[in-house]
Amino acid sequence: DIQMTQSPSTLSASVGDRVTITCRASQSINYWLAWYQQKPGKAPNLLIYKASSLESGVPSRFSGSGSGTEFTLTISSLQPDDFATYYCQQYNSYPWTFGQGTKVEIK
Amino acid sequence: EVQLVESGGGLVQPGGSLRLSCATSGFTFSTYNMNWVRQAPGTGLEWVSYISGSSSAIYYADSVKGRFTISRDNAKNSLFLQMNSLRDEDTAVYYCARGGGSLDVWGQGTTVTVSS
Repeated sequence: DIQMTQSPSTLSASVGDRVTITCRASQSINYWLAWYQQKPGKAPNLLIYKASSLESGVPSRFSGSGSGTEFTLTISSLQPDDFATYYCQQYNSYPWTFGQGTKVEIK
Repeated sequence: EVQLVESGGGLVQPGGSLRLSCATSGFTFSTYNMNWVRQAPGTGLEWVSYISGSSSAIYYADSVKGRFTISRDNAKNSLFLQMNSLRDEDTAVYYCARGGGSLDVWGQGTTVTVSS
């Protein structure tokens, strides 16, 4: 199985900050990577697919990059609504696997 | 509006069975691949199973293989997960999610608790 490792696990930031979350795959997944945002008690929400494609309706302050084994999710200017947990997911091969999550907290 | 609504969760004893359903609306269900994803309390997301639009391709996580069965009824726009031989570690919120890779639409989830 492909292991997905996110860093950091927790991130403290302020409104307006630029935030970067990293996701590493244990083997190459090309660009078959998605990013999700999840708020407490809610289902995940797709932000980015195919490593860098912005899902329709998602604010442009979210961006994704990377290929192979290393990927990043960047929030260019953190907004109050962005405090949540973020997950990466590989869909290069079964079983699809998620990272352990990165919680973005208010500093 | 695209909607996925799960049902069928509840409290079940270890070794028991449960059948989850996901009713869909707002899109042409038969043309979309579907999945079940779960989240144990206080933990991250775990993909459970995938089924293609025509049911010709089905995949499972190793943790549920041989115990869970995914199926769909395209005439009723519904997705199912039959869960047998349930274990404590199957306790989770179960989400149905649309997609053949990235998962672009999710239901609100249904809670399964396995406990004696």
